[in-house]
Amino acid sequence: AQSVTQLDSQVPVFEEAPVELRCNYSSSVSVYLFWYVQYPNQGLQLLLKYLSGSTLVESINGFEAEFNKSQTSFHLRKPSVHISDTAEYFCAAVGGSEKLVFGKGTKLTVNP
Amino acid sequence: DVKVTQSSRYLVKRTGEKVFLECVQDMDHENMFWYRQDPGLGLRLIYFSYDVKMKEKGDIPEGYSVSREKKERFSLILESASTNQTSMYLCASSLISRQPQHFGDGTRLSIL
Repeated sequence: AQSVTQLDSQVPVFEEAPVELRCNYSSSVSVYLFWYVQYPNQGLQLLLKYLSGSTLVESINGFEAEFNKSQTSFHLRKPSVHISDTAEYFCAAVGGSEKLVFGKGTKLTVNP
Repeated sequence: DVKVTQSSRYLVKRTGEKVFLECVQDMDHENMFWYRQDPGLGLRLIYFSYDVKMKEKGDIPEGYSVSREKKERFSLILESASTNQTSMYLCASSLISRQPQHFGDGTRLSIL
């Protein structure tokens, strides 16, 4: 069965520092990958997606993620974070079962 | 832009009550989903539906049922609420399988 592992449950960083949120998935078939962000008291919003094509995908607010098939990873990165990036981030994958499977989330806290 | 609306942001019910959580989407999406979100556990799929009057069990269907009489509306029913069903409930929809899911803002349900 498909599984998604987010290696860090909490990541504290200082403002303007770079950040990487790690995500690994398990799948032996083609897989579609997503990152969602959840701000306090809100639902999940799609941040970026990998469906096919270029392995590097970018969001409009400076985040990027790279699909690495050999390492079965889809890590999320941002070169310089802002206070407003404080949120919980979820990695998700859909594979052969057609069901979206979520990781347990990473809480990113950006400190001044 | 896709809008997924959950009828209540906060709900307090008593043990043994029958509870209805309503979800409506406005983009003619085929698929609709109900998740619950608990700290440290991420999102877990309760039920989903690929079409009107169709439903399939997710990973944790026990104690829940669903109804999809119209394409735009997907209801989650707690047949006899229990305290362990206190949680954040999130509804989502997608156009077709493997496409990104769009989420509502969630209903925080407390069972006393």
